[in-house]
Amino acid sequence: DTAVSQTPKYLVTQMGNDKSIKCEQNLGHDTMYWYKQDSKKFLKIMFSYNNKELIINETVPNRFSPKSPDKAHLNLHINSLELGDSAVYFCASSQTGGETDTQYFGPGTRLTVL
Amino acid sequence: AQSVAQPEDQVNVAEGNPLTVKCTYSVSGNPYLFWYVQYPNRGLQFLLKYITGDNLVKGSYGFEAEFNKSQTSFHLKKPSALVSDSALYFCAVYRRGGGSQGNLIFGKGTKLSVKP
Repeated sequence: DTAVSQTPKYLVTQMGNDKSIKCEQNLGHDTMYWYKQDSKKFLKIMFSYNNKELIINETVPNRFSPKSPDKAHLNLHINSLELGDSAVYFCASSQTGGETDTQYFGPGTRLTVL
Repeated sequence: AQSVAQPEDQVNVAEGNPLTVKCTYSVSGNPYLFWYVQYPNRGLQFLLKYITGDNLVKGSYGFEAEFNKSQTSFHLKKPSALVSDSALYFCAVYRRGGGSQGNLIFGKGTKLSVKP
């Protein structure tokens, strides 16, 4: 009955590899997000999708490519991983409506690049 | 540009005492403000939000926050702290995007430590 789920929870990989993180929400929301939390716990938006359309694309290297096959899923693919990509990546979802929307977060994926 | 500031890296409180975690904001227009909590090795959990209306907002786990427009603050409070409240607390402001889209701008977080 998990609302926002991510897989895997932990990901350890070598520099230069390509990896993907998956996110699924069962809340019926129409908007999904990816946030990055760095080693100092600072959280920053990376992308958001609304009904499978890219809405927000912050200043993120083009090695990061989000893909939304449907509005319940938002995956993050990272090419040519670098040491600086090590972080915790959080997926979130919300329902657009009214003046604002509450975002609900997944448990996070801790990515370690060696 | 919209932003929030959490001036304290850490707040230490004895169990049973009241707690306050501070947040100030800088926005143009009416602010939409949020508090989230992150327990160790967990995701962020929504605590409460201020959109409009009563300046005192009540949320989960006995927390509340007071919106103060003149001081541009949105401090998180709880009358009696529990050891289990120990966690990382984030204040956030909603940044409006095109149409009805937007995202959250987070503060740097405040670590709350409640000692028995």
